[in-house]
Amino acid sequence: GNSVTQMEGPVTLSEEAFLTINCTYTATGYPSLFWYVQYPGEGLQLLLKATKADDKGSNKGFEATYRKETTSFHLEKGSVQVSDSAVYFCALSGVGNTGKLIFGQGTTLQVKP
Amino acid sequence: DAGVTQSPTHLIKTRGQHVTLRCSPISGHKSVSWYQQVLGQGPQFIFQYYEKEERGRGNFPDRFSARQFPNYSSELNVNALLLGDSALYLCASSPGQLGALNMNTEAFFGQGTRLTVV
Repeated sequence: GNSVTQMEGPVTLSEEAFLTINCTYTATGYPSLFWYVQYPGEGLQLLLKATKADDKGSNKGFEATYRKETTSFHLEKGSVQVSDSAVYFCALSGVGNTGKLIFGQGTTLQVKP
Repeated sequence: DAGVTQSPTHLIKTRGQHVTLRCSPISGHKSVSWYQQVLGQGPQFIFQYYEKEERGRGNFPDRFSARQFPNYSSELNVNALLLGDSALYLCASSPGQLGALNMNTEAFFGQGTRLTVV
């Protein structure tokens, strides 16, 4: 079935370090791919998205490129801040008409000053 | 503009009771989806409603039901609560039907309702 796999956390980085959170997916057809962020005690916020192969989504210094050949959508940021500490979820949608987003298990990022 | 609003924010119920959770979508959005997020896991899809009709259902028992009203707000009902139903319940709204062909749309989430079953 369709699924999303993220690297296990927690990921602990120092401020200004480079961030990569790996995400791979299994899906039939051509899904859209998303990264959502969840700050403590809050709901999910859309961080970025890509709707077709080779698209690059970007927002707030974060980037991810839709790689169909490797079925991946890795999240990167060149210089993290303490305020980036949160849980990050990779997700896919658009497979069939069920209307559901399929999420990975989430990766906790902790950035230390 | 107001985002997706959910009520209540927190709720404590006893096993066997019934609960109703409410969601108001972003103005102009016609689709509402419900997700269950158990602590430490990603959200799991429960339902999608579009134009007041159920358009998708996840792998949840019949104790879970939902409906969408003419103003596009929605309710999620859970009967005969179990301890395992304790979770954060998230509502998401979108302009169109997620997953439909030729619809490039995205979901906007509310803050969630934290349900604790004791």
